Amino acid sequence: NAGVMQNPRHLVRRRGQEARLRCSPMKGHSHVYWYRQLPEEGLKFMVYLQKENIIDESGMPKERFSAEFPKEGPSILRIQQVVRGDSAAYFCASSPPSRVRGSGTEAFFGQGTRLTVV
Amino acid sequence: ILNVEQSPQSLHVQEGDSTNFTCSFPSSNFYALHWYRWETAKSPEALFVMTLNGDEKKKGRISATLNTKEGYSYLYIKGSQPEDSATYLCAFLYNFNKFYFGSGTKLNVKP
Repeated sequence: NAGVMQNPRHLVRRRGQEARLRCSPMKGHSHVYWYRQLPEEGLKFMVYLQKENIIDESGMPKERFSAEFPKEGPSILRIQQVVRGDSAAYFCASSPPSRVRGSGTEAFFGQGTRLTVV
Repeated sequence: ILNVEQSPQSLHVQEGDSTNFTCSFPSSNFYALHWYRWETAKSPEALFVMTLNGDEKKKGRISATLNTKEGYSYLYIKGSQPEDSATYLCAFLYNFNKFYFGSGTKLNVKP
């Protein structure tokens, strides 16, 4: 059972270009989370998705950022017109569905995509 | 936005020292508290999943306790080794599947 796969591992974009980050969750996992780690900071929640649905995007910047998790294929985090401040490590995590309180759903992380905007 | 706080931010100890750090989280709507170990250039790796007040979990020299009523969890490392050097993250599981992470405690164990 492969782990959470993120690609690319490293991405360099010029200011104004688009960045597309991909995340393939673990088999059987229908929940995907995206987190951002800015330099010298901890993990910050961005968005929580289930298949074809955005459940919570309260951590997403209002402009230029979007995320999707289609019925088929990986989850995509898309950043349009990138700026230098978007340079960060973007981590994806997945978890199986949990409907029992206190069942301790565990999230598994990918190795991240390091975005550098030049 | 829920606040999950970890302290201290960083910790330097000598090999063989025992150490502990704290994760504070909201005491309402608690589902679970997760501890992760995050080594540089790798992805966070799950250590413990804690769900019940009074939970104590142990894995080798690392253990954790949970107090959901007052909203804190402690992580203990007994007899620290250089390979324990990492950032230790806690995550508060809110509303089924939304994780809120603390900023981590960065542990450096000197040989």
